[in-house]
Amino acid sequence: SYVLTQPPSVSVAPGQTARLTCGGDHIEKRGVHWYQQKPGQAPVLVINDDRDRPSGIPERFSGSNSGNTATLTISGVEAGDEADYYCQVLDGTSYVFGTGTKVTVL
Amino acid sequence: EVQLVESGGDLVQSGGSLRLSCAASGFSVSDYYMNWVRQAPGGGLEWVSILYSGGDIFYADSVDGRFTISRDISRNTLSLQMNNLKADDTAVYFCVKGGIRGTNFDFWGRGTLVSVSS
Repeated sequence: SYVLTQPPSVSVAPGQTARLTCGGDHIEKRGVHWYQQKPGQAPVLVINDDRDRPSGIPERFSGSNSGNTATLTISGVEAGDEADYYCQVLDGTSYVFGTGTKVTVL
Repeated sequence: EVQLVESGGDLVQSGGSLRLSCAASGFSVSDYYMNWVRQAPGGGLEWVSILYSGGDIFYADSVDGRFTISRDISRNTLSLQMNNLKADDTAVYFCVKGGIRGTNFDFWGRGTLVSVSS
């Protein structure tokens, strides 16, 4: 089955840029979706199909996908961005999530 | 406004059964791909099952043969019948609405906790 690999944690100072990676074999051929999950809450879709922002998601969130790595970029990080972030792709008739990255705002 | 409210989570012994329900509002469960996704304590997200708008059903290998997904269109609900539960099934179970193209998940319920004691 398809495997998505994410770094366990990323730390970033307020106002700086966080880049979260999601690695997978030829992932550029798949649409990658990103979810934000704050403690005790349900996940929220923040990036759809590599780079599209759903309604209500700040422009600070952007995505890209090339080669074997998809990237979620959070510009001008705020304290409220502290959360777990998961990437996800469709693999045939099943859905695969990445291992998740915990973003800590210093 | 879209809402998904799960219920039915409980503490159950290994080998037991449980039925989860998800009450949907703001849309019809028959018009979208509907899913169950779970999250073990302190763990990541794991897709469990999907019920396509057209009726096709698929399961993750880890639950295939033990779990059954279904919907009640008249009540606008989604259900998950879980049999022969194992300790590894312990998780928060989320009811999730699929996106318009069925490739992702665009709205999640708050989840219901299933605990399986060994």
